[in-house]
Amino acid sequence: AQSVAQPEDQVNVAEGNPLTVKCTYSVSGNPYLFWYVQYPNRGLQFLLKYITGDNLVKGSYGFEAEFNKSQTSFHLKKPSALVSDSALYFCAVGGNYGGSQGNLIFGKGTKLSVKP
Amino acid sequence: EADIYQTPRYLVIGTGKKITLECSQTMGHDKMYWYQQDPGMELHLIHYSYGVNSTEKGDLSSESTVSRIRTEHFPLTLESARPSHTSQYLCASSESRGLVLGTEAFFGQGTRLTVV
Repeated sequence: AQSVAQPEDQVNVAEGNPLTVKCTYSVSGNPYLFWYVQYPNRGLQFLLKYITGDNLVKGSYGFEAEFNKSQTSFHLKKPSALVSDSALYFCAVGGNYGGSQGNLIFGKGTKLSVKP
Repeated sequence: EADIYQTPRYLVIGTGKKITLECSQTMGHDKMYWYQQDPGMELHLIHYSYGVNSTEKGDLSSESTVSRIRTEHFPLTLESARPSHTSQYLCASSESRGLVLGTEAFFGQGTRLTVV
């Protein structure tokens, strides 16, 4: 069965420093990978996705993610963190694997805290 | 912001009451979803629909039921609310038709339900 793991419950970064939120996946075929952000008392907002092509994907708010097939990873990155980036971040995998019917399967989420 | 709306945003209700959480989208999406998000952040798919008159159970067993009479509307009903139903419920939609892959889902802002 397909799955996605976010190994860190929380990531703490100082404003202006680069940030990385980690995600690894397990699927039987080619993965479709997504990152979402959730601000307090809000729904999830789509940030970026990898379907095929260039391994470096650029998304909203200056975020980017790098697809690494050999390491089965899709880490979210930003060169310079802002306090306003503090939120919950979810990695997800989508696709027709093992009866998933194309539904998105989410990781447990990582809380990003950016301190001034 | 995506054109998907959930009402109410917050609901406090007594045990044994029947409740319906509303979800509507104006994007003409065929596929719609309900996720339950527990206090530990994790998202669990509880229902989804491919289109009108289609409803499917998700990965997490739920005592709730859903209906899809119109493309834009996907309400979730609890016949008899219990404290164990206290959670955040997120509705989403996507452009997927059948098993078309790689399309992102758009989320509503969520309904935070408390059963006392």
